[in-house]
Amino acid sequence: DGGITQSPKYLFRKEGQNVTLSCEQNLNHDAMYWYRQDPGQGLRLIYYSQIVNDFQKGDIAEGYSVSREKKESFPLTVTSAQKNPTAFYLCASSIPGTGEHEQFFGPGTRLTVL
Amino acid sequence: QKEVEQDPGPLSVPEGAIVSLNCTYSNSAFQYFMWYRQYSRKGPELLMYTYSSGNKEDGRFTAQVDKSSKYISLFIRDSQPSDSATYLCAMGGFGNEKLTFGTGTRLTIIP
Repeated sequence: DGGITQSPKYLFRKEGQNVTLSCEQNLNHDAMYWYRQDPGQGLRLIYYSQIVNDFQKGDIAEGYSVSREKKESFPLTVTSAQKNPTAFYLCASSIPGTGEHEQFFGPGTRLTVL
Repeated sequence: QKEVEQDPGPLSVPEGAIVSLNCTYSNSAFQYFMWYRQYSRKGPELLMYTYSSGNKEDGRFTAQVDKSSKYISLFIRDSQPSDSATYLCAMGGFGNEKLTFGTGTRLTIIP
């Protein structure tokens, strides 16, 4: 089955610790995205990557970092600089440049800072 | 002012009712429009995708776009308890792969 997997489903972190969220896709999509979802605020774009070894900041990149070393993987690191990291994190992918703008989403990771 | 405004609800309707969900937007560059459905603690899934003014129908779902008024709607006919979810509108402009999302409307269908 083709799709996007995110792990872990639930993650707990102590204040001051960095944590990395995994996102893997086997859809052969070039573009990948990370969103943060908070109650009442919809989805906000953190980072996106349209091709391997290249990525751009989204609207709320401060306190986050990413890498795109492989087409199928786009891990997100939540650093200790992120002041309010407790949220639901969603990874998505799409095929850019084809006119098909649908983004396919993973199941999400719920991060809680203790 | 946000680029995309969506009534957060919550919205509760009896089973079988017609549901109307709406978004307004301010950016004239938006040319394609989507509705996603998100069940609790899950990732969003695409319901409808359109890039022209007018109506697009898919089963019990109809997406309506009015570019002159910068207003989009999703209608659900014969609503079912399984339609209970959060509905997110999303939109973007050609040449730009980024989507801008509404805040989502939480819908409950009462049996």
